[in-house]
Amino acid sequence: EPEVTQTPSHQVTQMGQEVILRCVPISNHLYFYWYRQILGQKVEFLVSFYNNEISEKSEIFDDQFSVERPDGSNFTLKIRSTKLEDSAMYFCASSERRSGGLAEETQYFGPGTRLLVL
Amino acid sequence: GQNIDQPTEMTATEGAIVQINCTYQTSGFNGLFWYQQHAGEAPTFLSYNVLDGLEEKGRFSSFLSRSKGYSYLLLKELQMKDSASYLCAVRPPRGYQKVTFGTGTKLQVIP
Repeated sequence: EPEVTQTPSHQVTQMGQEVILRCVPISNHLYFYWYRQILGQKVEFLVSFYNNEISEKSEIFDDQFSVERPDGSNFTLKIRSTKLEDSAMYFCASSERRSGGLAEETQYFGPGTRLLVL
Repeated sequence: GQNIDQPTEMTATEGAIVQINCTYQTSGFNGLFWYQQHAGEAPTFLSYNVLDGLEEKGRFSSFLSRSKGYSYLLLKELQMKDSASYLCAVRPPRGYQKVTFGTGTKLQVIP
């Protein structure tokens, strides 16, 4: 069964450093998402991406964050200058966006990257 | 905005039935998801309701009442592996992708 994959599974970085989190969405999916989950808290939407541009972003997704689809398979989240409060689990998700039908709107999540900022 | 309420924790016995409720107040609505999340893992899709009524999928069923802003997830024949958090999530109107998650209900299944 196709699945979303993410690398690395864990990332430890120093405050102020840049990190890039990588995701490979399900191959026939067209919408891509990043979420984060701070330990013990709820899953929070960061950004959605479609047709090589951001389609929606939350207030969390400030200028320190950027997303990119550098090739036909990868989808990345970059945090330019990490802060302690960026420590969280970051989930990538994707959904198939064909017209009609409900199943195509379901978002499937990757296993996550646990980011720890020291 | 979106406000989603779920009980924080529930305990149920192996083999029993448990109902996890979710209420929402939203500025727009285009469907409700239920996800299962084991500790330290990614949310796994369980169900998606857009229309009122009950959707059954094996041991899991999900119900939606749009007029009441209410949904529940029903788990039958509980197994120990069902111990997890169950996340209610609301999808905004068509044209938007921001899915808003509730804080989740941590279900503990005991022997």
